[in-house]
Amino acid sequence: GQQVMQIPQYQHVQEGEDFTTYCNSSTTLSNIQWYKQRPGGHPVFLIQLVKSGEVKKQKRLTFQFGEAKKNSSLHITATQTTDVGTYFCAVNAGGTSYGKLTFGQGTILTVHP
Amino acid sequence: GAVVSQHPSWVICKSGTSVKIECRSLDFQATTMFWYRQFPKQSLMLMATSNEGSKATYEQGVEKDKFLINHASLTLSTLTVTSAHPEDSSFYICSAQVRQHQPQHFGDGTRLSIL
Repeated sequence: GQQVMQIPQYQHVQEGEDFTTYCNSSTTLSNIQWYKQRPGGHPVFLIQLVKSGEVKKQKRLTFQFGEAKKNSSLHITATQTTDVGTYFCAVNAGGTSYGKLTFGQGTILTVHP
Repeated sequence: GAVVSQHPSWVICKSGTSVKIECRSLDFQATTMFWYRQFPKQSLMLMATSNEGSKATYEQGVEKDKFLINHASLTLSTLTVTSAHPEDSSFYICSAQVRQHQPQHFGDGTRLSIL
């Protein structure tokens, strides 16, 4: 199945600083999804990227899908304490897998006020 | 929309007890539901894929006799941890999907502690 590497594992920033997490695959992906999990909470779907080179924005969040569809990034501009949590990328396992996802290792974001 | 309810949210029980966790899609019909296990500060590990009316598909290394999954309807899947032991203590999360390759909608999770 599809595998995806996500870095960094941890990121500590001061409020107002930017943050980026990256996901990389050795194979071409059909699409990639991003989720956020607040401490003690459950993952919440943020976005799905499908097209090569796609860039999507949600307020201070910018999502990119690489031209080769092998990597993706999530960038947060001017972080706020409400951005705290773990950000996961997830890719479809492929084949007849009924849409099951393989999650990246996640990046735990801490924002210091 | 796309609300998934998971119950109970917290379970503490003695070793040897069987625990049932329910996952319901409240406002949509889910063709597929997934069960995950998550350890602190780690990623989600898929345990099994559950389709209504058919047997669950378990991931490699997951004991199907230990983790019984029943998907009785398009809105309900249950996970039963049979004869639970302390090593089964974890955070279990379900998710539901309307169609393949669509986003997954997660329940709030169940924190299971076996004494």
